[in-house]
Amino acid sequence: KQEVTQIPAALSVPEGENLVLNCSFTDSAIYNLQWFRQDPGKGLTSLLLIQSSQREQTSGRLNASLDKSSGRSTLYIAASQPGDSATYLCAVRHGSSNTGKLIFGQGTTLQVKP
Amino acid sequence: DGGITQSPKYLFRKEGQNVTLSCEQNLNHDAMYWYRQDPGQGLRLIYYSQIVNDFQKGDIAEGYSVSREKKESFPLTVTSAQKNPTAFYLCASSVDRAINSPLHFGNGTRLTVT
Repeated sequence: KQEVTQIPAALSVPEGENLVLNCSFTDSAIYNLQWFRQDPGKGLTSLLLIQSSQREQTSGRLNASLDKSSGRSTLYIAASQPGDSATYLCAVRHGSSNTGKLIFGQGTTLQVKP
Repeated sequence: DGGITQSPKYLFRKEGQNVTLSCEQNLNHDAMYWYRQDPGQGLRLIYYSQIVNDFQKGDIAEGYSVSREKKESFPLTVTSAQKNPTAFYLCASSVDRAINSPLHFGNGTRLTVT
């Protein structure tokens, strides 16, 4: 059974710091991995999608990496800003699924202090 | 603007009553999904639909029902059989069921049943 874990559950950093969020999954048979951002009381916004054949994806100050063999992904945020404060979730599309079914981690809540 | 609209944002019901959550999308997406989010847990799939007039159960379908009579609409009914209905409900869509089709989410409906 595929399980997705995000550690730590919460993180607080000063503004301007570079930071890394971690996501691990137990079964390497995935089609892709997606990172989302969720603001309090809101839905999820897709940040980056990494296909299983890719090693990383970049969008602005965000860089996501994928290491299937070790079952890990990281989301790197450069020069963090207070506006980056949110919960970040990762989700994997498991290899046995041919649907949009994603398996989510519990998320890391990030606070960037001015 | 294209997007997914969930209404209402907050919903209150008495125990024993059925309630229907609305989800409408104007993205021309074929696939639509309902997820449930509880504190400290990742999102869990309730139902999904890959095409009009077709839908499948997700991981936690018991106590829920859906319909997909139109491409744009995928309402979710929370029935009185659902043991713990209080939660944050998220609707999502994707272009199709292709494995690398990213999911787009609405802003959610917070349901409180007392």
